[in-house]
Amino acid sequence: EPEVTQTPSHQVTQMGQEVILRCVPISNHLYFYWYRQILGQKVEFLVSFYNNEISEKSEIFDDQFSVERPDGSNFTLKIRSTKLEDSAMYFCASSEGGRGLGANVLTFGAGSRLTVL
Amino acid sequence: EDKVVQSPLSLVVHEGDTVTLNCSYEVTNFRSLLWYKQEKKAPTFLFMLTSSGIEKKSGRLSSILDKKELSSILNITATQTGDSAIYLCAVGPNAGNMLTFGGGTRLMVKP
Repeated sequence: EPEVTQTPSHQVTQMGQEVILRCVPISNHLYFYWYRQILGQKVEFLVSFYNNEISEKSEIFDDQFSVERPDGSNFTLKIRSTKLEDSAMYFCASSEGGRGLGANVLTFGAGSRLTVL
Repeated sequence: EDKVVQSPLSLVVHEGDTVTLNCSYEVTNFRSLLWYKQEKKAPTFLFMLTSSGIEKKSGRLSSILDKKELSSILNITATQTGDSAIYLCAVGPNAGNMLTFGGGTRLMVKP
């Protein structure tokens, strides 16, 4: 079954450092997403990406965050200068997109746990 | 602000019991309600509901949406230890594909 793959599974970084989290979405999906889940809290939407540009973003997704699709398969989330409160599990997801019923069915990756010290 | 609330927060049952998990929502634009199961890591898709009153079923799991009450339930019959997980409810909007998640129900099934 097709899956979304994420690397690294766990990253530890010092406050103020830049991190890049990588994702390979399902190949025929058109929409890509990043969500995060702080330990013990809800899964929160960060950003969605379609046709090589951001289609929606939340208030969490400030200037410290950026996303990119550098080639035909990878989708990355960059945090420019990490803060303690960025410590969370970051989930990448993808969906078929469009107006059909499959549009809202997101397939999630296993997550990248980011620990900021 | 869109809101999705799940209850109970946690539940402990014994194998063979039947459980009902609840999800209620207040959102500006509604298109679909989704249930996910989260074990160690990635949420895995269970059901998507768009129409009121139509039950979706997969093995021992079933779910139904009530658009009048702005709610959904997820039933699990004859629970097994492998059903132990956090069950997440999420609502998708009419336009765009951002999901709003509830806080989840943590289910523990004891042997």
